[in-house]
Amino acid sequence: DTGVSQNPRHKITKRGQNVTFRCDPISEHNRLYWYRQTLGQGPEFLTYFQNEAQLEKSRLLSDRFSAERPKGSFSTLEIQRTEQGDSAMYLCASSFTGSPSGNTIYFGEGSWLTVV
Amino acid sequence: EDQVTQSPEALRLQEGESSSLNCSYTVSGLRGLFWYRQDPGKGPEFLFTLYSAGEEKEKERLKATLTKKESFLHITAPKPEDSATYLCAVYDSNYQLIWGAGTKLIIKP
Repeated sequence: DTGVSQNPRHKITKRGQNVTFRCDPISEHNRLYWYRQTLGQGPEFLTYFQNEAQLEKSRLLSDRFSAERPKGSFSTLEIQRTEQGDSAMYLCASSFTGSPSGNTIYFGEGSWLTVV
Repeated sequence: EDQVTQSPEALRLQEGESSSLNCSYTVSGLRGLFWYRQDPGKGPEFLFTLYSAGEEKEKERLKATLTKKESFLHITAPKPEDSATYLCAVYDSNYQLIWGAGTKLIIKP
């Protein structure tokens, strides 16, 4: 039973470059979430998908951020023209709404982004 | 405004010294309260879900309880490997997940 898988685990990029993170959810999980977390804070919601449909996106999310989930399987999160303020851990999570514990979301190990 | 507050921000205990972490919430229509454990540099690991006041869940040295205003995570006779940040989150009536900032727990041998 594999958990949520994220890669790369670490990414260092220069300001202004584009970066892309990939997330493979737990198989059969129909919901997939992206969060961002900085030190000393709880996760901050970015967006979520139900199957391939992006159902919600944080109003705080810059237009430089885009996420996709083609075919309702894996997902990618792209950040264009990175800024130093984008440095954070990007967390992917998934859940299955058809189970009794469908509200429970399970996280991956996270992808650390450092913008220099 | 819906809010989740965790206290204390940090807690240092000696190995074997039992204590409790607090998660107080103000949400319109609680749909579930969650506890996660997070080790440095890793994603949160699910511990418990609680849905209604009076409910309790246990796992090894951890026990979570829920009232209408708050939840406690009790840790009994902790070991150094219990050191981590413990996060609390709640679903409001719109199934928006609201997170606390976490309690950093340090268990000294």
